[in-house]
Amino acid sequence: DGGITQSPKYLFRKEGQNVTLSCEQNLNHDAMYWYRQDPGQGLRLIYYSQIVNDFQKGDIAEGYSVSREKKESFPLTVTSAQKNPTAFYLCASSISTGPYEQYFGPGTRLTVT
Amino acid sequence: GENVEQHPSTLSVQEGDSAVIKCTYSDSASNYFPWYKQELGKGPQLIIDIRSNVGEKKDQRIAVTLNKTAKHFSLHITETQPEDSAVYFCAATGFMNTGFQKLVFGTGTRLLVSP
Repeated sequence: DGGITQSPKYLFRKEGQNVTLSCEQNLNHDAMYWYRQDPGQGLRLIYYSQIVNDFQKGDIAEGYSVSREKKESFPLTVTSAQKNPTAFYLCASSISTGPYEQYFGPGTRLTVT
Repeated sequence: GENVEQHPSTLSVQEGDSAVIKCTYSDSASNYFPWYKQELGKGPQLIIDIRSNVGEKKDQRIAVTLNKTAKHFSLHITETQPEDSAVYFCAATGFMNTGFQKLVFGTGTRLLVSP
């Protein structure tokens, strides 16, 4: 089955700790994305990657970091510098950046206390 | 930058009725308009999309219309069923300063279909 996997589904961390969210895809897509979803809001773009070893900041990149060492993997680190990290995080991929369908993973709900 | 507004925020219908969700966008250069369905605790799934060179697209009980002049597009669901209950998001393409074409999402519509 082709698709995107995110792990874990639920994640709990103490304030001040960095945490890394996993995202893997086997769709052979070049482009990958991280979004943040808060209640009552649309999805907001954190980072995107058009190709391996390349990534760019999205609209709300402060306090987050990413890497793209392999085509199928795009992990997101939520650092202690992120002021309000509790949210639902969604990873997505598409064949290329631009006007193409984005396929989403099941999401990770991060709670920081 | 691109701004997408979505209405209504909640919509309750009886099973068998039709449901309509409307979105407006601000960037006349937008050329791709997908609609996503998100069930509780899951990631969004594409249900239908339309490109700027088309005015209407239909897939069984779901249809999308696009009015480029007025910069609005709508999702129409006919013969609604309880399993249609979910949150629906519209999106439109927008351009960042780098030239990258991103998706800008509306704030979502919670659809509840009562048996």
